[in-house]
Amino acid sequence: GDSVTQMEGPVTLSEEAFLTINCTYTATGYPSLFWYVQYPGEGLQLLLKATKADDKGSNKGFEATYRKETTSFHLEKGSVQVSDSAVYFCALSDTNYGGSQGNLIFGKGTKLSVKP
Amino acid sequence: DVKVTQSSRYLVKRTGEKVFLECVQDMDHENMFWYRQDPGLGLRLIYFSYDVKMKEKGDIPEGYSVSREKKERFSLILESASTSQTSMYLCASRSRFTGGWSSYNEQFFGPGTRLTVL
Repeated sequence: GDSVTQMEGPVTLSEEAFLTINCTYTATGYPSLFWYVQYPGEGLQLLLKATKADDKGSNKGFEATYRKETTSFHLEKGSVQVSDSAVYFCALSDTNYGGSQGNLIFGKGTKLSVKP
Repeated sequence: DVKVTQSSRYLVKRTGEKVFLECVQDMDHENMFWYRQDPGLGLRLIYFSYDVKMKEKGDIPEGYSVSREKKERFSLILESASTSQTSMYLCASRSRFTGGWSSYNEQFFGPGTRLTVL
């Protein structure tokens, strides 16, 4: 079935450093791809999404490009802040026909800590 | 704004107890979901519901049941809680999914319930 693999954490960076969190996927069809963020003590929030190949999702200075040729959707930010400390989840929408179509399949999450 | 609320942020129960986790959404969404979140395992789908009185098993339904008697409310039930069910439980909702492969309706999450079973 469809699956998502993202880099293991935790990741610790200094403020203003460049961030990359790798995410690759396998899917039967053509999924939509997402990054969700979970701040401490909160539920998940959609950070950005891309619905087709070569789409770039962006929000709050974060970007990710849907790369069909490498089946990847890496999250990047040019200059992280302490407030970006959170757990980041890569996800795709299930492409398999049937009851689960459209449901989210998540990676295991990457915890980011940004130090002042 | 869509709001998904969960009945408790923290819950402590004893082994063998029957546990109810409640989730309420205020956006008239048809679809609702229950996940559990564990370190190193990410989010795993327990059950989901397309609409009132409808339910589908997710990836890890064993030991859980659900109830959806009203559109806005989706309950997760642990019939006899065990220590292995100590976890963070997240509820989510979205509007009805009608599209094909590249379609998507955003899921909105509640704040989670951290359940400890002693």
